[in-house]
Amino acid sequence: GNSVTQMEGPVTLSEEAFLTINCTYTATGYPSLFWYVQYPGEGLQLLLKATKADDKGSNKGFEATYRKETTSFHLEKGSVQVSDSAVYFCALSDLGNQFYFGTGTSLTVIP
Amino acid sequence: DTAVSQTPKYLVTQMGNDKSIKCEQNLGHDTMYWYKQDSKKFLKIMFSYNNKELIINETVPNRFSPKSPDKAHLNLHINSLELGDSAVYFCASSQLLSDTEAFFGQGTRLTVV
Repeated sequence: GNSVTQMEGPVTLSEEAFLTINCTYTATGYPSLFWYVQYPGEGLQLLLKATKADDKGSNKGFEATYRKETTSFHLEKGSVQVSDSAVYFCALSDLGNQFYFGTGTSLTVIP
Repeated sequence: DTAVSQTPKYLVTQMGNDKSIKCEQNLGHDTMYWYKQDSKKFLKIMFSYNNKELIINETVPNRFSPKSPDKAHLNLHINSLELGDSAVYFCASSQLLSDTEAFFGQGTRLTVV
């Protein structure tokens, strides 16, 4: 079956530090991969996505590359800001029929 | 324009009551979902529904039932509320057979006292 595993948090970083949140997946077929962000008190918002192998999704300085050979979609940002503090979810979709989410990683960025 | 809207945003109710949460999407999507998020932020799929198929997560108690008056709406009814039902409930929608993302509502924080 389909599933997503992402690194457990919480993660605490100083401002301008480098961020990596690991995500690996198990899927049949060729899923689409997503990173969602949830700010306090809000719903989930799409951060970036990739729909086929070797695609790189990017947004707001965040990047993730769809690696089929390692079944991974790690989230990276070169220099985090306090405003990046949120919960990040890795997810996969099998053509929109079902979405499978990781457990979420809480990030706190301190000044 | 709000793509996926759900009401109410906050709901406080007593044990044993019956309540409903409404969800509407204006994206023309054909699939809608309900998720439950617990205090540790875990997201659990409860239902997914399009006009042909209802998929129910077998761990969801039958006190929970989705009702869809039309393609743009998927309401969640909960009977005989229990303390453990306290959580944030999210509605979402997506387009079937597409590589696009799911769009989420802002959530309904349900507190059962």
